[in-house]
Amino acid sequence: SQQGEEDPQALSIQEGENATMNCSYKTSINNLQWYRQNSGRGLVHLILIRSNEREKHSGRLRVTLDTSKKSSSLLITASRAADTASYFCATGYNYGQNFVFGPGTRLSVLP
Amino acid sequence: GAGVSQTPSNKVTEKGKYVELRCDPISGHTALYWYRQSLGQGPEFLIYFQGTGAADDSGLPNDRFFAVRPEGSVSTLKIQRTERGDSAVYLCASSPGSGETQYFGPGTRLLVL
Repeated sequence: SQQGEEDPQALSIQEGENATMNCSYKTSINNLQWYRQNSGRGLVHLILIRSNEREKHSGRLRVTLDTSKKSSSLLITASRAADTASYFCATGYNYGQNFVFGPGTRLSVLP
Repeated sequence: GAGVSQTPSNKVTEKGKYVELRCDPISGHTALYWYRQSLGQGPEFLIYFQGTGAADDSGLPNDRFFAVRPEGSVSTLKIQRTERGDSAVYLCASSPGSGETQYFGPGTRLLVL
């Protein structure tokens, strides 16, 4: 299966702590995207990282990509209760075609 | 500007019926994607359009599912002879071009009784 796998499946932390989620995949990719989904709502794009990039930042978010290990991580610093959501990685194997989502990490940030 | 919109937001139908789900992408976006998401799962790819043509329909589960995008903008996902297993949230996304950030609509929640 080409599917990316997020790890852990569920994560519970206190407000103010950092949250790290990982995504592993099996075959070479062109790019990898991270999305957030609040319960019952649409997916919100967070960051896209291309295969020739190693790290990207956006506000409190930091994404790394290690193509040698076929893995990516999403770090959320100084978490807030509003960060509570499911987080998905989506791997792109051919430009514009067939983005494959993993099962997601369910993050709970406790006040 | 307006984001991706999907109609209806909810659809309840009976087993065996035909349904159509509509997606209005962001204006100017050439790429359009359909996904299906079951409870507790990640989105499952169904089909991708570049312009008017289906560039990749490998995710359609069987021939009861069909999608069109006749003018390269609005797309319709059509499901014939619906089954209870088709119940899911159907998500549409668009992007400015191939391999770029996808912007998702709110989804259509389909329930087949």
